[in-house]
Amino acid sequence: AQSVAQPEDQVNVAEGNPLTVKCTYSVSGNPYLFWYVQYPNRGLQFLLKYITGDNLVKGSYGFEAEFNKSQTSFHLKKPSALVSDSALYFCAVRDPLGSARQLTFGSGTQLTVLP
Amino acid sequence: ETGVTQSPTHLIKTRGQQVTLRCSSQSGHNTVSWYQQALGQGPQFIFQYYREEENGRGNFPPRFSGLQFPNYSSELNVNALELDDSALYLCASSRTSSRQETQYFGPGTRLLVL
Repeated sequence: AQSVAQPEDQVNVAEGNPLTVKCTYSVSGNPYLFWYVQYPNRGLQFLLKYITGDNLVKGSYGFEAEFNKSQTSFHLKKPSALVSDSALYFCAVRDPLGSARQLTFGSGTQLTVLP
Repeated sequence: ETGVTQSPTHLIKTRGQQVTLRCSSQSGHNTVSWYQQALGQGPQFIFQYYREEENGRGNFPPRFSGLQFPNYSSELNVNALELDDSALYLCASSRTSSRQETQYFGPGTRLLVL
Protein backbone atom coordinates (compact mmCIF):
# COMPACT_ATOMS: atom_id res chain seq x y z
CA ALA A 1 0.00 0.00 0.00
CA GLN A 2 1.20 3.50 -0.75
CA SER A 3 1.31 6.29 1.81
CA VAL A 4 2.50 9.85 2.26
CA ALA A 5 3.55 11.67 5.41
CA GLN A 6 3.73 15.42 5.84
CA PRO A 7 5.29 15.76 9.27
CA GLU A 8 4.51 19.44 9.76
CA ASP A 9 0.93 20.64 10.09
CA GLN A 10 2.07 24.26 9.99
CA VAL A 11 5.09 26.05 8.54
CA ASN A 12 5.71 29.75 9.10
CA VAL A 13 8.31 31.71 7.14
CA ALA A 14 9.09 35.38 6.67
CA GLU A 15 8.55 36.93 3.26
CA GLY A 16 11.73 36.80 1.20
CA ASN A 17 13.15 33.84 3.11
CA PRO A 18 13.47 30.38 1.58
CA LEU A 19 10.74 27.89 2.38
CA THR A 20 10.65 24.11 2.64
CA VAL A 21 7.58 21.92 3.04
CA LYS A 22 8.48 18.33 3.86
CA CYS A 23 7.09 15.11 2.42
CA THR A 24 8.08 11.48 2.77
CA TYR A 25 6.47 8.57 0.97
CA SER A 26 6.13 4.82 0.94
CA VAL A 27 5.37 2.87 -2.23
CA SER A 28 6.49 -0.33 -3.83
CA GLY A 29 8.65 0.34 -6.84
CA ASN A 30 9.47 3.73 -8.30
CA PRO A 31 6.96 6.40 -7.30
CA TYR A 32 5.25 9.16 -9.18
CA LEU A 33 5.17 12.17 -6.83
CA PHE A 34 3.10 15.32 -6.96
CA TRP A 35 2.61 18.60 -5.13
CA TYR A 36 -0.70 20.44 -5.11
CA VAL A 37 -1.73 23.70 -3.44
CA GLN A 38 -5.18 24.56 -2.10
CA TYR A 39 -6.36 28.08 -1.45
CA PRO A 40 -9.38 28.67 0.82
CA ASN A 41 -12.65 27.44 -0.66
CA ARG A 42 -10.88 26.26 -3.79
CA GLY A 43 -9.94 22.94 -5.36
CA LEU A 44 -6.41 21.62 -5.67
CA GLN A 45 -4.02 23.34 -8.03
CA PHE A 46 -1.18 21.31 -9.57
CA LEU A 47 2.31 22.64 -8.85
CA LEU A 48 4.78 20.02 -10.07
CA LYS A 49 5.48 16.32 -10.43
CA TYR A 50 8.36 13.87 -10.44
CA ILE A 51 8.14 10.91 -12.78
CA THR A 52 11.72 10.02 -13.63
CA GLY A 53 15.00 11.69 -14.52
CA ASP A 54 16.48 14.74 -12.83
CA ASN A 55 15.93 14.67 -9.08
CA LEU A 56 15.26 18.42 -8.99
CA VAL A 57 11.89 19.26 -10.47
CA LYS A 58 10.82 22.80 -11.29
CA GLY A 59 7.18 23.80 -11.24
CA SER A 60 4.77 26.69 -11.24
CA TYR A 61 5.24 30.02 -9.41
CA GLY A 62 8.93 29.45 -8.69
CA PHE A 63 8.43 26.26 -6.70
CA GLU A 64 10.73 23.27 -7.02
CA ALA A 65 11.02 19.91 -5.34
CA GLU A 66 13.87 17.51 -4.78
CA PHE A 67 13.38 13.77 -5.07
CA ASN A 68 15.60 11.76 -2.74
CA LYS A 69 15.19 8.04 -3.23
CA SER A 70 17.41 6.95 -0.34
CA GLN A 71 15.47 9.10 2.11
CA THR A 72 12.11 8.49 0.36
CA SER A 73 11.48 12.21 0.41
CA PHE A 74 10.10 14.81 -1.95
CA HIS A 75 10.40 18.18 -0.22
CA LEU A 76 8.88 21.30 -1.77
CA LYS A 77 11.07 24.37 -1.85
CA LYS A 78 11.09 27.98 -2.96
CA PRO A 79 14.11 30.30 -2.72
CA SER A 80 12.13 33.41 -1.74
CA ALA A 81 8.65 33.18 -0.21
CA LEU A 82 5.81 35.55 -1.02
CA VAL A 83 2.84 36.41 1.18
CA SER A 84 0.65 35.13 -1.66
CA ASP A 85 2.23 31.66 -1.23
CA SER A 86 0.26 31.28 2.01
CA ALA A 87 -1.99 28.26 1.45
CA LEU A 88 -2.46 24.56 2.20
CA TYR A 89 0.03 22.29 0.45
CA PHE A 90 -0.49 18.61 -0.29
CA CYS A 91 2.02 16.01 -1.33
CA ALA A 92 0.68 12.98 -3.21
CA VAL A 93 2.06 9.70 -4.50
CA ARG A 94 0.91 7.33 -7.19
CA ASP A 95 2.07 3.78 -7.73
CA PRO A 96 2.87 3.55 -11.45
CA LEU A 97 2.05 -0.16 -11.34
CA GLY A 98 -1.44 0.47 -9.97
CA SER A 99 -4.31 0.08 -12.37
CA ALA A 100 -6.45 2.93 -11.08
CA ARG A 101 -3.83 5.65 -11.15
CA GLN A 102 -5.21 6.89 -7.85
CA LEU A 103 -3.41 9.54 -5.86
CA THR A 104 -2.71 9.04 -2.18
CA PHE A 105 -2.40 12.35 -0.37
CA GLY A 106 -0.72 13.47 2.79
CA SER A 107 -2.63 15.33 5.48
CA GLY A 108 -1.45 18.70 4.25
CA THR A 109 0.82 21.48 5.52
CA GLN A 110 -0.49 24.97 6.13
CA LEU A 111 2.12 27.45 4.93
CA THR A 112 1.95 30.97 6.31
CA VAL A 113 4.29 33.61 4.88
CA LEU A 114 4.58 36.55 7.21
CA PRO A 115 5.09 40.06 5.78
CA GLU B 1 -8.21 27.57 -14.06
CA THR B 2 -8.11 23.87 -14.95
CA GLY B 3 -11.23 23.70 -17.09
CA VAL B 4 -12.75 21.13 -14.72
CA THR B 5 -16.15 22.25 -13.45
CA GLN B 6 -18.33 20.88 -10.70
CA SER B 7 -21.92 21.49 -9.67
CA PRO B 8 -23.40 22.45 -7.37
CA THR B 9 -20.84 24.43 -5.38
CA HIS B 10 -22.64 23.90 -2.09
CA LEU B 11 -25.34 21.52 -0.93
CA ILE B 12 -27.20 20.88 2.30
CA LYS B 13 -28.94 17.55 2.85
CA THR B 14 -30.40 15.67 5.77
CA ARG B 15 -29.38 12.26 7.00
CA GLY B 16 -30.85 9.43 4.92
CA GLN B 17 -31.30 11.49 1.77
CA GLN B 18 -29.59 10.88 -1.55
CA VAL B 19 -27.36 13.31 -3.46
CA THR B 20 -25.91 13.59 -6.97
CA LEU B 21 -22.81 15.62 -7.70
CA ARG B 22 -21.66 16.45 -11.22
CA CYS B 23 -18.31 16.98 -12.88
CA SER B 24 -17.32 18.11 -16.36
CA SER B 25 -13.81 17.14 -17.33
CA GLN B 26 -11.22 19.25 -19.07
CA SER B 27 -11.33 19.17 -22.86
CA GLY B 28 -9.34 16.21 -24.19
CA HIS B 29 -9.46 14.29 -20.91
CA ASN B 30 -11.04 10.84 -20.76
CA THR B 31 -10.67 9.84 -17.12
CA VAL B 32 -12.42 11.19 -14.04
CA SER B 33 -11.46 10.48 -10.44
CA TRP B 34 -13.49 11.43 -7.37
CA TYR B 35 -12.07 12.27 -3.96
CA GLN B 36 -13.58 13.11 -0.57
CA GLN B 37 -11.83 15.72 1.54
CA ALA B 38 -13.06 15.88 5.13
CA LEU B 39 -12.31 19.00 7.13
CA GLY B 40 -8.64 19.22 8.05
CA GLN B 41 -7.64 16.15 6.05
CA GLY B 42 -6.15 15.31 2.72
CA PRO B 43 -8.35 14.07 -0.12
CA GLN B 44 -9.30 10.37 -0.05
CA PHE B 45 -9.76 8.43 -3.29
CA ILE B 46 -13.35 7.27 -3.86
CA PHE B 47 -13.23 5.81 -7.39
CA GLN B 48 -12.15 6.45 -10.95
CA TYR B 49 -13.97 6.15 -14.27
CA TYR B 50 -12.38 5.46 -17.64
CA ARG B 51 -14.32 4.73 -20.81
CA GLU B 52 -17.56 4.79 -18.84
CA GLU B 53 -16.48 1.99 -16.51
CA GLU B 54 -15.23 2.02 -12.94
CA ASN B 55 -11.47 1.64 -13.02
CA GLY B 56 -10.59 1.31 -9.36
CA ARG B 57 -12.21 2.07 -6.03
CA GLY B 58 -11.02 3.22 -2.65
CA ASN B 59 -12.30 2.17 0.74
CA PHE B 60 -15.82 3.53 0.38
CA PRO B 61 -19.09 1.60 0.81
CA PRO B 62 -21.37 0.67 -2.11
CA ARG B 63 -23.75 3.53 -1.33
CA PHE B 64 -21.13 5.66 -3.09
CA SER B 65 -21.63 5.06 -6.80
CA GLY B 66 -20.81 6.83 -10.01
CA LEU B 67 -21.30 7.16 -13.71
CA GLN B 68 -19.28 8.42 -16.62
CA PHE B 69 -20.99 9.59 -19.78
CA PRO B 70 -19.83 9.40 -23.43
CA ASN B 71 -18.67 13.02 -23.25
CA TYR B 72 -16.47 11.97 -20.26
CA SER B 73 -18.46 13.99 -17.73
CA SER B 74 -19.26 12.15 -14.53
CA GLU B 75 -21.66 11.91 -11.60
CA LEU B 76 -21.09 10.86 -8.03
CA ASN B 77 -24.15 9.50 -6.22
CA VAL B 78 -24.36 8.97 -2.49
CA ASN B 79 -27.34 7.14 -1.01
CA ALA B 80 -28.51 7.02 2.59
CA LEU B 81 -26.45 10.04 3.59
CA GLU B 82 -24.70 9.97 6.95
CA LEU B 83 -23.41 12.85 9.03
CA ASP B 84 -19.81 11.77 8.28
CA ASP B 85 -20.42 12.26 4.58
CA SER B 86 -20.13 16.00 5.16
CA ALA B 87 -17.03 16.98 3.19
CA LEU B 88 -15.64 18.68 0.11
CA TYR B 89 -16.03 16.39 -2.88
CA LEU B 90 -13.42 16.90 -5.56
CA CYS B 91 -13.31 15.53 -9.05
CA ALA B 92 -10.17 15.38 -11.12
CA SER B 93 -9.81 14.77 -14.82
CA SER B 94 -6.84 13.38 -16.70
CA ARG B 95 -5.92 11.95 -20.05
CA THR B 96 -5.02 8.30 -19.81
CA SER B 97 -2.64 8.10 -22.73
CA SER B 98 0.38 7.20 -20.64
CA ARG B 99 1.07 6.37 -17.04
CA GLN B 100 2.51 9.83 -16.48
CA GLU B 101 -0.66 11.87 -16.77
CA THR B 102 -1.50 14.56 -14.25
CA GLN B 103 -4.87 14.86 -12.53
CA TYR B 104 -6.39 18.34 -12.66
CA PHE B 105 -8.96 19.19 -10.04
CA GLY B 106 -12.20 21.09 -10.09
CA PRO B 107 -13.24 23.57 -7.40
CA GLY B 108 -15.23 20.98 -5.47
CA THR B 109 -18.73 20.59 -4.09
CA ARG B 110 -19.12 21.22 -0.37
CA LEU B 111 -21.74 18.89 1.09
CA LEU B 112 -23.22 19.38 4.52
CA VAL B 113 -25.35 16.59 5.98
CA LEU B 114 -27.56 17.57 8.90
